[in-house]
Amino acid sequence: QVQLVQSGAEVKKPGASVKVSCKVSGYTLTESSMHWVRQTPGKGLEWMGSFDPEDGETIYAQKFQGRVTMTEDTSTDTAFMELSSLRSEDTAVYFCATDVSAPYYLDYWGQGTLVTVSS
Amino acid sequence: QSALTQPASVSGSLGQSITISCTGTSSDVGGYKLVSWYQQHPGKAPKLIIYEGNKGPSGIFDRFSDSNSGNTASLTISGLQAEDEADYYCCSYAGGSTLVFGGGTRLTVL
Repeated sequence: QVQLVQSGAEVKKPGASVKVSCKVSGYTLTESSMHWVRQTPGKGLEWMGSFDPEDGETIYAQKFQGRVTMTEDTSTDTAFMELSSLRSEDTAVYFCATDVSAPYYLDYWGQGTLVTVSS
Repeated sequence: QSALTQPASVSGSLGQSITISCTGTSSDVGGYKLVSWYQQHPGKAPKLIIYEGNKGPSGIFDRFSDSNSGNTASLTISGLQAEDEADYYCCSYAGGSTLVFGGGTRLTVL
């Protein structure tokens, strides 16, 4: 069955970068887009962007443009999301999610990675 | 891109039906009619419930249905059960391969 397993929790200082990984199994990365969604403490879900394996194109939400980079390593079926210039407001749980069944419908999710930004 | 508008909370009694609305604009909900709904229990990852009228994980969310009219999408849960108590989010395609989520609705089952 399809599974997405994310890397563990991270603690970073303001101004640093964080790179979260998402290893998939039960399908291959090339079969569907990988999306990244974050959830700040006590708040709702926020779409950050996605990587389309068909054309290698990344689409980022305007809010994160210039600070986020989404990549994939198809040899290990692992997706990555790197967020730079971290600030305290970036403290959140970051999820990877894919749309295997149909584009733009996130049917499989990782377990989430807590990133804490604190001096 | 502004978040879609959902009521902060709704409640219903066991066995009753409730509806959660999700209001956007002609640039997302109304323009594309590509809306999905997610259920999230505390400390867990969201789960896809339903999309495009009646598509979704079969057998798991059979009491759930969705609809779409103008710039508003709706999720209806019939025969409320205790395990339905959770946060619910709508999500719409917003053009240019982007998605936008609603602010979320906390469902309390009385």
